[in-house]
Amino acid sequence: NAGVMQNPRHLVRRRGQEARLRCSPMKGHSHVYWYRQLPEEGLKFMVYLQKENIIDESGMPKERFSAEFPKEGPSILRIQQVVRGDSAAYFCASSRGAAANEKLFFGSGTQLSVL
Amino acid sequence: AQRVTQPEKLLSVFKGAPVELKCNYSYSGSPELFWYVQYSRQRLQLLLRHISRESIKGFTADLNKGETSFHLKKPFAQEEDSAMYYCALSIQGAQKLVFGQGTRLTINP
Repeated sequence: NAGVMQNPRHLVRRRGQEARLRCSPMKGHSHVYWYRQLPEEGLKFMVYLQKENIIDESGMPKERFSAEFPKEGPSILRIQQVVRGDSAAYFCASSRGAAANEKLFFGSGTQLSVL
Repeated sequence: AQRVTQPEKLLSVFKGAPVELKCNYSYSGSPELFWYVQYSRQRLQLLLRHISRESIKGFTADLNKGETSFHLKKPFAQEEDSAMYYCALSIQGAQKLVFGQGTRLTINP
């Protein structure tokens, strides 16, 4: 089991472009979480998805950001019309279930740089 | 609002010395607290959680509800303990974690 896979590891975009970040959860995991880490800060929750459903998007900015976790394929975090303030490390995590004792497994993250 | 505070950004101790990484939280509900660790060039991984009351790699952490703290301790630090440590609070079960800013621990030989 390769663990949670995120790609790309590094993504460079110019202001106004779109960024698409992909996350493949661990085998057997159907719960995916996205976190963002700004420089010098801790990870901040963005969105929690289960296959084909958004369960909690309370941490997502209201505009330009969207996430999906289709029936087939990886979860995608999409940022439209990126701005410099979107530059951050974006981490994905997965778990088998939603219970409190379920362990979260993190990916290596995608470092987004907006020029 | 829920908050996790790690007051030390950097902590440096000598090998064999005791180490304590501080974590304080603010949460009106019943807290579930975790310590995550990120070693150099590795992924963030769970170190321990208060609900398990376990000791991992010699580390322990006790939840003190009176002081709203969950400090991470190890009596004798080892060089391989050098890493970034994050304290985290779970709200709504496992779905959402609130992280502290992290403490970079360096163990000097």
